[in-house]
Amino acid sequence: DTGVSQDPRHKITKRGQNVTFRCDPISEHNRLYWYRQTLGQGPEFLTYFQNEAQLEKSRLLSDRFSAERPKGSFSTLEIQRTEQGDSAMYLCASSFSGRDGELFFGEGSRLTVL
Amino acid sequence: GESVGLHLPTLSVQEGDNSIINCAYSNSASDYFIWYKQESGKGPQFIIDIRSNMDKRQGQRVTVLLNKTVKHLSLQIAATQPGDSAVYFCAETRGDDKIIFGKGTRLHILP
Repeated sequence: DTGVSQDPRHKITKRGQNVTFRCDPISEHNRLYWYRQTLGQGPEFLTYFQNEAQLEKSRLLSDRFSAERPKGSFSTLEIQRTEQGDSAMYLCASSFSGRDGELFFGEGSRLTVL
Repeated sequence: GESVGLHLPTLSVQEGDNSIINCAYSNSASDYFIWYKQESGKGPQFIIDIRSNMDKRQGQRVTVLLNKTVKHLSLQIAATQPGDSAVYFCAETRGDDKIIFGKGTRLHILP
């Protein structure tokens, strides 16, 4: 499978714990995006990378959230001290720069904070 | 603001009929628009895009219309099939690479 893969697909954690999600983009893609989606809503932009550089981070993202893409390939999204309001689907997408709108999404990592 | 919204949250269409999904945007600086389809349990899938210097673009069974005067975007699906059942999102960018999604319209196909 050469699509975008995300791991884990589901994560249940207790409030206050840290969680980390991993995204492996399509190998030729230089852009990688993280979105958050709650039930009945559209994906909400969190951050994106071009190669290893983090180009923008949403103001909605608190200091508890951090994302990395150390070698310009896979990326991780970490949430520290999780809160119940962090429960959502975390979506990763990748693209070629120059094909800006054509994002290829993974199937997401669903987080449930108890 | 950065609002991208939709007129209707759900749409029911008879199989074989044409579907029209509408979207309003508020930012006149938006210059690029995209439609995505999201099936249950999956990530969104790109359908078609259009730049602000165009008013119509056609794909396979889909057409996107852009009316910049009233800041309105629509997706037309011809001969709707059961596999078209999904949530459809319009999205926009404003010259940067951040893609902002609207809330979505659920399309139901009636047999």
